[in-house]
Amino acid sequence: DQQVKQNSPSLSVQEGRISILNCDYTNSMFDYFLWYKKYPAEGPTFLISISSIKDKNEDGRFTVFLNKSAKHLSLHIVPSQPGDSAVYFCAASEGTYKYIFGTGTRLKVLA
Amino acid sequence: DTAVSQTPKYLVTQMGNDKSIKCEQNLGHDTMYWYKQDSKKFLKIMFSYNNKELIINETVPNRFSPKSPDKAHLNLHINSLELGDSAVYFCASSLPGAYSYNEQFFGPGTRLTVL
Repeated sequence: DQQVKQNSPSLSVQEGRISILNCDYTNSMFDYFLWYKKYPAEGPTFLISISSIKDKNEDGRFTVFLNKSAKHLSLHIVPSQPGDSAVYFCAASEGTYKYIFGTGTRLKVLA
Repeated sequence: DTAVSQTPKYLVTQMGNDKSIKCEQNLGHDTMYWYKQDSKKFLKIMFSYNNKELIINETVPNRFSPKSPDKAHLNLHINSLELGDSAVYFCASSLPGAYSYNEQFFGPGTRLTVL
């Protein structure tokens, strides 16, 4: 039973354009969401988060949007850079310690 | 300075053996975790400790036993290894939920291959 889904396993975007990574969830009790970025042979690193009381959070080139009614969140990266090429995981929590991760989307930014 | 470190990075072993993976964090965090990433790339939580106390124990075979000698260390011991245990195991740490937005810091992972 996959409570957090990233339906696009991969995405290719031209450098300078916008990358949009999507994530859907099924558990309406989730109240906190995070995005992580992972390079090969490294652990995931935290990118940006959003609480369920907000619908948008922005940090530099990264913006996360949350649509609670649709149980959907998205990560926008603009402008995309070749160094953004990585696997991106979304994660959701309904408590303080347990996170459910999606299966990741591999982003490739083409120079 | 490595924030969350794991040893070994690679582990190749025979079925039936017992092995341990060590994890240390120097961030002063109270909470530590073990995750398993399988061949389908699912990153699933296995265990979580807060101040050396087990707080999350997912449906994991009891061949897996975490041990936290102090709050900076969380080791994972696996008995009677099976082929299905082959995966990448990630350690992570975070501040307790009351004090942060629960950002987790991950180690580099240990790739376990059971032959």
